[in-house]
Amino acid sequence: GAVVSQHPSRVICKSGTSVKIECRSLDFQATTMFWYRQFPKQSLMLMATSNEGSKATYEQGVEKDKFLINHASLTLSTLTVTSAHPEDSSFYICSASWSGVLADTQYFGPGTRLTVL
Amino acid sequence: AQTVTQSQPEMSVQEAETVTLSCTYDTSESDYYLFWYKQPPSRQMILVIRQEAYKQQNATENRFSVNFQKAAKSFSLKISDSQLGDAAMYFCAYRPPQGGSEKLVFGKGTKLTVNP
Repeated sequence: GAVVSQHPSRVICKSGTSVKIECRSLDFQATTMFWYRQFPKQSLMLMATSNEGSKATYEQGVEKDKFLINHASLTLSTLTVTSAHPEDSSFYICSASWSGVLADTQYFGPGTRLTVL
Repeated sequence: AQTVTQSQPEMSVQEAETVTLSCTYDTSESDYYLFWYKQPPSRQMILVIRQEAYKQQNATENRFSVNFQKAAKSFSLKISDSQLGDAAMYFCAYRPPQGGSEKLVFGKGTKLTVNP
């Protein structure tokens, strides 16, 4: 149980284009989803927290107009990188948690590697 | 602010032997949650073990166990009978109590190498 998927696993795009990454909870309803960014050989950096049906809460220094997050249902959250630039190239990981038993635990997706040319 | 420290950037162990990864944290809370996550080369974050601070009993999951020392704010992970598949980055993480922030605070990670 507690499976989270991400799509796509890899994406290459041209500078100036937008890219959408999907995060799905496959066997549970995710009341909260989290988006992280991970640079090589570093730990995870939280970008934003989203609750179903409400606006995402962004961490300090994360541009909300550049990284658009939508959590429209209890099983799907999307991250859209708008007008991507080479410095946005990174590994993006989502996680999800639910209310109730083990609500304290985050389950992670497999990540998406974004390369901006 | 809470912090998590993993003082060992890299560790190595021989296959079938035991290794302990250290983690210390700083918090003023009395109730919280602690986790160890494993990130193999595939980069999928996998939950290894979870500990609730109000429970004195150390959590165990098959070959993985923790030594939770609440007063010392220490949460080490012991891997017994190490296997080649245990090779990965291991991250220690802290979560505040229910009703507070849901954010995880991660340590910088320990890279574990398992030698055949």
